Amino acid sequence: DGGITQSPKYLFRKEGQNVTLSCEQNLNHDAMYWYRQDPGQGLRLIYYSQIVNDFQKGDIAEGYSVSREKKESFPLTVTSAQKNPTAFYLCASSRRVGSEAFFGQGTRLTVV
Amino acid sequence: DQQVKQNSPSLSVQEGRISILNCDYTNSMFDYFLWYKKYPAEGPTFLISISSIKDKNEDGRFTVFLNKSAKHLSLHIVPSQPGDSAVYFCAASAGNQFYFGTGTSLTVIP
Repeated sequence: DGGITQSPKYLFRKEGQNVTLSCEQNLNHDAMYWYRQDPGQGLRLIYYSQIVNDFQKGDIAEGYSVSREKKESFPLTVTSAQKNPTAFYLCASSRRVGSEAFFGQGTRLTVV
Repeated sequence: DQQVKQNSPSLSVQEGRISILNCDYTNSMFDYFLWYKKYPAEGPTFLISISSIKDKNEDGRFTVFLNKSAKHLSLHIVPSQPGDSAVYFCAASAGNQFYFGTGTSLTVIP
């Protein structure tokens, strides 16, 4: 089955700890994205990557970091510098940047 | 600055009737528009798209209309079914990243 896998579905961390969210796709897509959703808000772009070893900041990149060492994988690290890390995080991929994106099931991160 | 706006947070429609979800955008460079459907605690699912060279695109019960002069698009669902109850997001792109609206929660009443 082709698709996008995000793990884990639920994640709890203590304040001040870095945490890495996993995203893997087997759709052979070049572009990958990380979005954040908060209650009552739309999806806001954190980072995106057009191709391996390349990534660009989105609208809310502060406090986050990414890497794209393999085409299939685009992990997101939520650092202790992110002031409000508790949110629902969505990873997506598309054939190329700007074409329709397919989303994973999301990871709900709760920082206590 | 919200470049894509969905001004109705919620909408209720009777089963079998038409659902119309609206979306406005401000950036005239947007040339590709999509609608996604989302259930709670799940990722959005792609529904239908339209490019700026068209003013209408149909896929079964779903039709998207684009009015470029008004910078407005709408999604029509007819007939509406209880399984259509979800949050609907519109998104727009100028060839790079997508900008999403805040979503409209549709409830289809049996």
